[in-house]
Formats: sequence, structure tokens, C-alpha cells
Amino acid sequence: DADVTQTPRNRITKTGKRIMLECSQTKGHDRMYWYRQDPGLGLRLIYYSFDVKDINKGEISDGYSVSRQAQAKFSLSLESAIPNQTALYFCATSGWGGYTFGSGTRLTVV
Amino acid sequence: QQQVKQSPQSLIVQKGGISIINCAYENTAFDYFPWYQQFPGKGPALLIAIRPDVSEKKEGRFTISFNKSAKQFSLHIMDSQPGDSATYFCAASIRSGGATNKLIFGTGTLLAVQP
Repeated sequence: DADVTQTPRNRITKTGKRIMLECSQTKGHDRMYWYRQDPGLGLRLIYYSFDVKDINKGEISDGYSVSRQAQAKFSLSLESAIPNQTALYFCATSGWGGYTFGSGTRLTVV
Repeated sequence: QQQVKQSPQSLIVQKGGISIINCAYENTAFDYFPWYQQFPGKGPALLIAIRPDVSEKKEGRFTISFNKSAKQFSLHIMDSQPGDSATYFCAASIRSGGATNKLIFGTGTLLAVQP
């Protein structure tokens, strides 16, 4: 099994719909992150969490929310999806050895 | 001040050549500078990282050069191979408690190594 698992891998949704992206990790790390990747813009931080009771906004948190259900689980929600949220989304954990990323969720909002 | 600027956006190198990707930062509090490699359909994976107390770190064909006074660091890929074709991201963070803190990423460089 992968260290960081993201579901779904691909998703097409309609404008205005609520959608949740899920992430689970087996690394035992406290720190988890959600990033968004867009061509030419690199990876931008949406939200991060340093433990179950700690949630922090990143540089592009508007339109997104997160939930840290357990040390191993960190989900990202789009309350009302819009087309410019079409992107590749990555979950990651960090510890002594740096970041471990999931394989990503490709989200398309039509 | 939180930005990390990366160049070039894309790079084409012949097999056996040297690939060079550059990054610059502003925040002097950054103390950890990793490079990540990403293949299509995969998440980024840590390639090599450096702390600001050294000027160079080498792992196999990959070398990071770090210039603290200029606030710049670069990735050199020696003897570039077609299998090195990928997107490369530089990043920076302030480590706390020994663990990696939130990373600020550059915009990425798409490297194509031609056979």
C-alpha cells in the first residue's frame, strides 16, 4: 500500500456541487498538507495541519475547507465548486525525511 | 517575501549534457532547500536537499549549489539521461522541531532530455 493514499484519483463535477477529496497516510506523521498544482504556477499550499487539533490556512484557502478526522486522515472540501478550481490536488505528510506526496486527484469542474 | 522564483520554465538538454535549474528566495529565515522530481501521473518525490550551512551537496549525478549571500540555489544534473525527463521543483521552508515545515515551492521546470 502507498504511504499516502488519495481518493478519488479523478473526478469530474459540476459547478456549484460540493465535493470532498480524501487523504490517508500510514507514515505516522502528525503534519499533513493539501496543495494545488496548476501549469506554470507550481504547487500552492491550500491548508495544513500539524496535529488533529491544529488547522491552518495556506496561501490559497478561499473556497476550500478541511477536516482532520484523525492523525492519519485529512480531507479537503470544495463547498461550491467553480471552474477555476479545476486542478491537480496533492495531499502530503512531512516528518524527518521531508515530504511524502500522494499520487494526486485530478479534479475537473464543468 | 515568501516566494521562491524558479527558472527556466522548460529546458531541453541532449543526452549526456548538464541540466541546470536555478532558484532564488527572499526570506532569509528559510533553512531547508529541497528539490523534488515529478513524473507524469505521480506526486513529487524528494530528490535532494541542502541546509544553508553548506555550499554544495552531491548525490550521484545530482548536485545542489547554494549561495547564501545571493539567496540563490541551483540543481545540476550531470550526464543527463532520458529517464531524467520530468518536472523539477525547488522549494524552501523553515524547519521546526527537526521536522519539515510547510514548503514554499517554485513554479517548476519541465526537463526534456533528448536521446
